[in-house]
Amino acid sequence: AQRVTQPEKLLSVFKGAPVELKCNYSYSGSPELFWYVQYSRQRLQLLLRHISRESIKGFTADLNKGETSFHLKKPFAQEEDSAMYYCALQGAQKLVFGQGTRLTINP
Amino acid sequence: GAGVSQSPSNKVTEKGKDVELRCDPISGHTALYWYRQSLGQGLEFLIYFQGNSAPDKSGLPSDRFSAERTGGSVSTLTIQRTQQEDSAVYLCASSLDRGLISYGYTFGSGTRLTVV
Repeated sequence: AQRVTQPEKLLSVFKGAPVELKCNYSYSGSPELFWYVQYSRQRLQLLLRHISRESIKGFTADLNKGETSFHLKKPFAQEEDSAMYYCALQGAQKLVFGQGTRLTINP
Repeated sequence: GAGVSQSPSNKVTEKGKDVELRCDPISGHTALYWYRQSLGQGLEFLIYFQGNSAPDKSGLPSDRFSAERTGGSVSTLTIQRTQQEDSAVYLCASSLDRGLISYGYTFGSGTRLTVV
C-alpha cells in the first residue's frame, strides 16, 4: 500500500527559529517524493522534489530510506513561510498526498 | 493556456441536485487528475486520465461521481444527487506524461463546492 503520513496537523514556530515538517511514507517500490505548498488564497504548487536535491526558498528535504522519511527543513523560518504544506509520494500512476501540515510563523 | 483552469471557482448547490465541474489542463499535458481537498482529509485522489488509456477511477467515492475527458483535453467531473458530505474543494491537475512525472503536477485553483 502507498501511504504518506504527516503527523502534525498544525505547527507553530517563531520567526528565525528552525522548522521541520515531518513526513513518513510507506511504499514497496523505489519512492519518488515531493513537497507541495499552498499559500493563503493561492493554488497548490510544487515546492521541491527529492530527485533534484534542490533548496527552494531555503527549504531542503532529504530522503531517508532507512527511516522511510522525507522531512522538510529550514534553518531560519520567515513569516512568508506560513502556509499549508503537503508531502506527496509518486505511486504507480498518481501522487498520494499526506493530510498536510499548517505551518504558522509567529513574528 | 498558461495554467490549469477550473470553473466555476465557487458553486453552491442544493442537496440532491447534480453539478458539473470543469477543468481545462495545460496544452500538451497528457495526464489529468482530479483530487478533493477537505478539512482534515488532506488531498484525496479521485480519478486519473492518461492519453487515450482507460481512466483510473479507483478513487471515486461512490457511483454518484463520474468524470470524462473529451478529445484528450478538457475534463468534466459530475456529481449526481449531491450530498452535504460532498462539500469540498475539487482540484484538477495536469502533467506532461508518466515518463516526466518527476516534474510534478500543475494544479488549478479549484472549485469550492458547497452543498446546502
